[in-house]
Amino acid sequence: AQSVTQLGSHVSVSEGALVLLRCNYSSSVPPYLFWYVQYPNQGLQLLLKYTSAATLVKGINGFEAEFKKSETSFHLTKPSAHMSDAAEYFCAVSERRGGNKLTFGTGTQLKVEL
Amino acid sequence: KAGVTQTPRYLIKTRGQQVTLSCSPISGHRSVSWYQQTPGQGLQFLFEYFSETQRNKGNFPGRFSGRQFSNSRSEMNVSTLELGDSALYLCASGPSTDTQYFGPGTRLTVL
Repeated sequence: AQSVTQLGSHVSVSEGALVLLRCNYSSSVPPYLFWYVQYPNQGLQLLLKYTSAATLVKGINGFEAEFKKSETSFHLTKPSAHMSDAAEYFCAVSERRGGNKLTFGTGTQLKVEL
Repeated sequence: KAGVTQTPRYLIKTRGQQVTLSCSPISGHRSVSWYQQTPGQGLQFLFEYFSETQRNKGNFPGRFSGRQFSNSRSEMNVSTLELGDSALYLCASGPSTDTQYFGPGTRLTVL
């Protein structure tokens, strides 16, 4: 069975600082990987996805993530945090075959301080 | 394109009642999935429908059911509601595989 581990349920950074949110996955074969963001009282917004080819994936709002097979990781980064980045971030994995079934991590709440 | 829409956005029910939630996918998307989000259990997959057929199912009791219509719109039903069913129910749609786009959710409160 697939699983996702997000290290750090809460991360706090200063505005302008690097954002690094960690995600490790467990899967017998390379899966599809996703990062979603959730603002209060809203649904999930897709930030970026890894499905094949390029291991460095660029997403919306200046976020990017690198797929590292050897480390089974898919960490999310942003060079410079903005106050508007404060939200909860979810890493998710799905199998390449068998339809759409996302397995989510427990989420990381990002706080951005002045 | 319009995004995924879910109705109603908020719902209050009492224990023992049943509830039906509706989801309209993005135009052209044939896959619709449902997720339950709670503070204790996080985001959990309920089921997925593709072209009116259930393609995947999560580990939820039979009280949770769903269906998809020929226009790809989907409904999920929860019968005999329990307090623990209080949650945000999220619907997501996708063209086939690999990417899903989420709606705003329906907040269900069971009293």
